[in-house]
Amino acid sequence: GDSVTQTEGLVTLTKGLPVMLNCTYQTTYSPFLFWYVQHLNEAPKLLLKSSTDNKRTEHQGFYATLHKSSSSFHLQKSSVQLSDSALYFCALSEPNYNVLYFGSGTKLTVEP
Amino acid sequence: EAAVTQSPRNKVAVTGGKVTLSCNQTNNHNNMYWYRQDTGHGLRLIHYSYGAGSTEKGDIPDGYKASRPSQENFSLILELATPSQTSVYFCASGDADTQYFGPGTRLLVL
Repeated sequence: GDSVTQTEGLVTLTKGLPVMLNCTYQTTYSPFLFWYVQHLNEAPKLLLKSSTDNKRTEHQGFYATLHKSSSSFHLQKSSVQLSDSALYFCALSEPNYNVLYFGSGTKLTVEP
Repeated sequence: EAAVTQSPRNKVAVTGGKVTLSCNQTNNHNNMYWYRQDTGHGLRLIHYSYGAGSTEKGDIPDGYKASRPSQENFSLILELATPSQTSVYFCASGDADTQYFGPGTRLLVL
């Protein structure tokens, strides 16, 4: 079945440094990949999404590129801010099947 | 922006009791979902629905029932609540490729 793996449970960084949160997936279909962000005591919100191979997608300073050859969709930002501290979830869905499969999440903490 | 509301926001229940969590969306989305969130597990799908009158089992449906009486409303029912069902529950509605989440319900089963 479909699955998403996020290898880092916790990431702590100093403000201004770059970050990459890993996401790999398994599926037999050509998937849609998503990153959702959840700030403390809030609902998860869509950060960015993609279904196009090797095309970078960007939103709010974050970016990710879907690489079907390596089944990856890593989330990156060149300079993290204190406000980026949150829980980040990678998720996938199959075409025409509107169910999301979530990874276990990565908690990003940005320190001054 | 999409509007999904949940009630109650917090609930304390006793083991063996019945719990109903309600969700309402004003987006006219066909699809609605119930997830639970636990540390280390991310968001796990319990039940979902493609429209009024339909419910489908997700990845962890055991111990839960769902009801979709209308386009706007989707309920999650715990007939016999157990302490293992203590969690945060999120409802979501969605269009073709994006889901919009409600604020969540914190459920504590004693």
